[in-house]
Amino acid sequence: AQKVTQAQTEISVVEKEDVTLDCVYETRDTTYYLFWYKQPPSGELVFLIRRNSFDEQNEISGRYSWNFQKSTSSFNFTITASQVVDSAVYFCALSGYGQNFVFGPGTRLSVLP
Amino acid sequence: DTGVSQNPRHKITKRGQNVTFRCDPISEHNRLYWYRQTLGQGPEFLTYFQNEAQLEKSRLLSDRFSAERPKGSFSTLEIQRTEQGDSAMYLCASIYSWGDTSYNEQFFGPGTRLTVL
Repeated sequence: AQKVTQAQTEISVVEKEDVTLDCVYETRDTTYYLFWYKQPPSGELVFLIRRNSFDEQNEISGRYSWNFQKSTSSFNFTITASQVVDSAVYFCALSGYGQNFVFGPGTRLSVLP
Repeated sequence: DTGVSQNPRHKITKRGQNVTFRCDPISEHNRLYWYRQTLGQGPEFLTYFQNEAQLEKSRLLSDRFSAERPKGSFSTLEIQRTEQGDSAMYLCASIYSWGDTSYNEQFFGPGTRLTVL
């Protein structure tokens, strides 16, 4: 069975602080894909990044970076110099054989001015 | 075509009534997914379609839930004899995918918020 755990329910930081959101996954598939989505207060889920199980290169996109480690089954997301507009719920998701997407419970990030 | 659309955006109904939601995916996407999201939780997979074929429906919450995608384009999700526990956000997502593993990211609609009184 596939499972995604996001142990941090809520995080509050002050603007300009760096923050890391943790994601741990479980799967028996050898080929799988990991995703991060953002759900702002408006409610619509927004895709942030996709990573496949064969590519462990870390990725940086502006203030966002992702650290994928198969050895620990983790796919963590860091926001550098956080901004108020980063306030949202962030979901980690897993897709493997069988088409289903499994989402974690989400981490609510509040960035205070 | 700018994205996935869902109608209605909000639905208030009385317990025992039937409701139907519609999802229009991105036109070139061949797969369509339905999810339920309750407060403080991530989206919970319900069912999905590959074109008009419903390939997974075991996760539908009960036999009161059914979904269709008759022409492989828009889809409907129906809940019969609604209960207060059905109150949630119902999300639709679409994707272009092939093979046995969904590689591409899903594009989500804005959701339909159902309130059962």
